This record gives sequence, structure tokens and C-alpha cells, in this order.
Amino acid sequence: KQEVTQIPAALSVPEGENLVLNCSFTDSAIYNLQWFRQDPGKGLTSLLLIQSSQREQTSGRLNASLDKSSGRSTLYIAASQPGDSATYLCAVGGGRRALTFGSGTRLQVQP
Amino acid sequence: GAVVSQHPSRVICKSGTSVKIECRSLDFQATTMFWYRQFPKQSLMLMATSNEGSKATYEQGVEKDKFLINHASLTLSTLTVTSAHPEDSSFYICSASSEGSTEAFFGQGTRLTVV
Repeated sequence: KQEVTQIPAALSVPEGENLVLNCSFTDSAIYNLQWFRQDPGKGLTSLLLIQSSQREQTSGRLNASLDKSSGRSTLYIAASQPGDSATYLCAVGGGRRALTFGSGTRLQVQP
Repeated sequence: GAVVSQHPSRVICKSGTSVKIECRSLDFQATTMFWYRQFPKQSLMLMATSNEGSKATYEQGVEKDKFLINHASLTLSTLTVTSAHPEDSSFYICSASSEGSTEAFFGQGTRLTVV
């Protein structure tokens, strides 16, 4: 059974810092890996999707990498802003496209 | 990306009543839809997978007679929470994907409160 772990559980940084969120998964036979953002009491916003054959994806200040063999992914956020404050969820997809989610990293960017 | 609409966004119901949540794919045909649940300060857990025209597949520990899922068309799936109890209070969210797609798209979620 796939298990997804995210470290750290919570992170507080001053505005402008670059930061890295970590995600690990136990079963490397994944279809894809996706990073989401969730604001309090809200739904999910998809940030980046990495297919199993890819190693990274970039969107603006965000960069996500995938190392399937070691079961790891990182989400890099450059020049963090207070508006980046949210919970970031990592999820891995199996062949049937259902996702297994990590427990998330709660990020607080201080102005 | 494709658009998935979920309704209602919030619902409060009395204990013992039933609540129906709708999940619609607006601009694509959703051959598969997924229902997830998120308890406070926890992550999302898959409840069930439904394929259009067939019975849903439930994850271990999810009562199929309590959480009724119908996926009668390629654009609509419904989740009915029957005889709701306060412990069913949670955030329910659906996602949908089309045949051959590599990605599933999420609805906005439904916050259910049972009083």
C-alpha cells in the first residue's frame, strides 16, 4: 500500500526566502506525482504535475523534482511571499489515477 | 485544465437525515470519478472510485450502504451520505478524469456539518 510522507509538517519563514518542501513515497511504481496548494477551508489548487517519465516541472517561482528510484520529490519555492502561505500537499497517482496524499506541509511566510 | 463543479459548497444537516453532493464535469466526459474525504487537520483519503455505468469501488473501511455513489452519466456523479451523524462531518471532494487522461481534476469541495 502506497504511503506518502511530507516533511516538515509546518514551516515558518520570513518573506523573500527560498524554501524546499519534501515528499517521499514508499512504492516507486507511480503514474504521476502532483503538488497542490490548499488554503484554509478551501479546495485544492493544482500547482505542478510530474509524469513518471519526467524529472521536474517548473511554473513561475515553483519547481518540482521527481526521483522515482529513491521515492522522493521536492517542491522548491523561490523568493517566498506572504501570499504563498497555505498547506502544500503532495500526492502520487497510481495507474487508475486515484491519488494518495501526504499529510501536507503548513507554510507561513512572515511579511 | 478541465473544469469540475461540485455542489453544494457547504451544507448543514440534522443528524439522521441524508445529504446529496453533486460532482459535474463541465467540459469533458468523465469516465472515472473519485470521492475523497478530509477530516480536520488531516489529509485527503480516497473513499471510492466510480466508473460511469457501473458500481462504485469502495476503499476499505468505507461503508457502501452509508455513502451511496451514483455515476449514471459521463458528466455527473453523486455522493449521498445517508442517515448522517456528527462524525460524518468532514470536507468531501471529488475529482474526475477522462479516458486516456493522465490527470484527474478536482471540484471545489463540500463542507458537511451534521448537527
